[in-house]
Amino acid sequence: GAVVSQHPSWVICKSGTSVKIECRSLDFQATTMFWYRQFPKQSLMLMATSNEGSKATYEQGVEKDKFLINHASLTLSTLTVTSAHPEDSSFYICSARAGRLNTEAFFGQGTRLTVV
Amino acid sequence: KQEVTQIPAALSVPEGENLVLNCSFTDSAIYNLQWFRQDPGKGLTSLLLIQSSQREQTSGRLNASLDKSSGRSTLYIAASQPGDSATYLCAVGTQAGTALIFGKGTTLSVSS
Repeated sequence: GAVVSQHPSWVICKSGTSVKIECRSLDFQATTMFWYRQFPKQSLMLMATSNEGSKATYEQGVEKDKFLINHASLTLSTLTVTSAHPEDSSFYICSARAGRLNTEAFFGQGTRLTVV
Repeated sequence: KQEVTQIPAALSVPEGENLVLNCSFTDSAIYNLQWFRQDPGKGLTSLLLIQSSQREQTSGRLNASLDKSSGRSTLYIAASQPGDSATYLCAVGTQAGTALIFGKGTTLSVSS
């Protein structure tokens, strides 16, 4: 299957700082990428959908000014958690599809963010 | 609003047993359904993808079935092994190109 690479796999940052998470499709072009958040023993919750070259669509309750998403190329999307607080500590996972059709979704390895 | 439920939440079996994981969804108008495996602290590994027009998919010891009309899917694991221990997630795609909607998962533990 296709490969989605997410970096870093874990990060610890101080409150008030910003953290950038990268999601890359290594062997295909991803016109659409999705960012999810997962709390312990909970399901994956969709945060936003990003389409290459356009603004991301955020789910209700997700602060777009706090979680900045950029999808400037067909192989890279970034999620920046701005002014991080301890409650932002979570597991963030990205997903990508190769085209507009509902093809198989591939996921990154996830990023464990801890804000201290 | 589509909701996905997985039962049981946790399951423990001895090595060698055949087992079934259940997934149900509230809106039968799905585009496809996908089963994933997630190891602790890791990302998701796609196991099987079933399109809405299909009834089942098989890969090795895994078999997934789909009954759209009843809003159900099952993941059958044959001859379970300790290496199968993980959380199994069911997710549905409701429209072309949209994000998947996930269940909470079933955490499987296979003892040797």
